[in-house]
Amino acid sequence: GQQLNQSPQSMFIQEGEDVSMNCTSSSIFNTWLWYKQEPGEGPVLLIALYKAGELTSNGRLTAQFGITRKDSFLNISASIPSDVGIYFCAGQLVTGTASKLTFGTGTRLQVTL
Amino acid sequence: EAQVTQNPRYLITVTGKKLTVTCSQNMNHEYMSWYRQDPGLGLRQIYYSMNVEVTDKGDVPEGYKVSRKEKRNFPLILESPSPNQTSLYFCASSARDGVNTDTQYFGPGTRLTVL
Repeated sequence: GQQLNQSPQSMFIQEGEDVSMNCTSSSIFNTWLWYKQEPGEGPVLLIALYKAGELTSNGRLTAQFGITRKDSFLNISASIPSDVGIYFCAGQLVTGTASKLTFGTGTRLQVTL
Repeated sequence: EAQVTQNPRYLITVTGKKLTVTCSQNMNHEYMSWYRQDPGLGLRQIYYSMNVEVTDKGDVPEGYKVSRKEKRNFPLILESPSPNQTSLYFCASSARDGVNTDTQYFGPGTRLTVL
């Protein structure tokens, strides 16, 4: 299957700092998605990007769909303790009647006071 | 309340003993899928279903079966579980408008251990 390289694997930051993480792929996607997973729960969608070059914000979160359709980044501004969790990127490829979602390996975020 | 439910949440079993993990959604979604999550590998898609009686393989389908006889249910079947299927499993569902994919709702997860 397709491979998504997500970096960094983990981050330890102080409250108030900005965070940046990214994903790159060897092939293109129609859609890029960013999820957050908290312990004991399933992933929750944060931001969806549907067009190359698209820049979308959701509160303190900003994400962009790369022009080449092979990459995306997520920024979190002014981090707070509840931002702790694992963040996953995911690329979706829709072709005819098929729809496949490929996830990155995740970025574990720790926020210290 | 819109939700995806999975049962059981935790299961310990032995090699070769057939098991089924159920998944049900109450949102009338067409699209459902199963993932497994393993440390360092993220979530990998096992099978997905675009609608009733329409299923297709994801990236890691070996050792698994699925069925979609009703819109709301999408059970995951392990005919002969092996220790390498020890993992955390998630079911997910979403609507699909043909152009963009709507929000995918994930279930709470099923932690399976195969001894």
